[in-house]
Amino acid sequence: GDSVTQMEGPVTLSEEAFLTINCTYTATGYPSLFWYVQYPGEGLQLLLKATKADDKGSNKGFEATYRKETTSFHLEKGSVQVSDSAVYFCALSVNTGNQFYFGTGTSLTVIP
Amino acid sequence: GAGVSQSPSNKVTEKGKDVELRCDPISGHTALYWYRQSLGQGLEFLIYFQGNSAPDKSGLPSDRFSAERTGGSVSTLTIQRTQQEDSAVYLCASSLRGVGTNEKLFFGSGTQLSVL
Repeated sequence: GDSVTQMEGPVTLSEEAFLTINCTYTATGYPSLFWYVQYPGEGLQLLLKATKADDKGSNKGFEATYRKETTSFHLEKGSVQVSDSAVYFCALSVNTGNQFYFGTGTSLTVIP
Repeated sequence: GAGVSQSPSNKVTEKGKDVELRCDPISGHTALYWYRQSLGQGLEFLIYFQGNSAPDKSGLPSDRFSAERTGGSVSTLTIQRTQQEDSAVYLCASSLRGVGTNEKLFFGSGTQLSVL
């Protein structure tokens, strides 16, 4: 079936450190891939997406590249800030289904 | 409204009682989803409404769970005879169209349900 596996947390980094959160997927069709973020006290919101192989999604300094050969969509940021502290969820959807599949979430804390 | 609104934000109930959770999606959004987020778990799909089509109820964990969407807008998730394992955050999301359009989901802040 369709599913997403993401790196377990929590992750703690110093400000300006490099961030990678791993995400791999299994899909029966041709998925679209997403990263959602949940800031403290707020609802989940879309961070970035990629809809086909080799696409790169980017937003707020975060990037993720849709890698079909490795079935991955790893989230990266070159220099994290304290304001990036949040829970990050990898997700996929396939156009033959009726739902988005979410990973378990990775909690990130950035310390000054 | 400006966003997806869920109520109540917190609900504490006794085992065996029924609860109703409400979701007001963004006006004009035809797709509405309910998810459940348990501690340490990912988001678990519960049910999907799309326009006037029959809802996809494949994620409902038992027949104690039901949901309806009236007039293509407000949705209510009902849990009958609540059990302690029902304790979780129940999230509602909406989108302008549905899965397969690659549109983003707009989430509410959730209802934290605690069953004592």
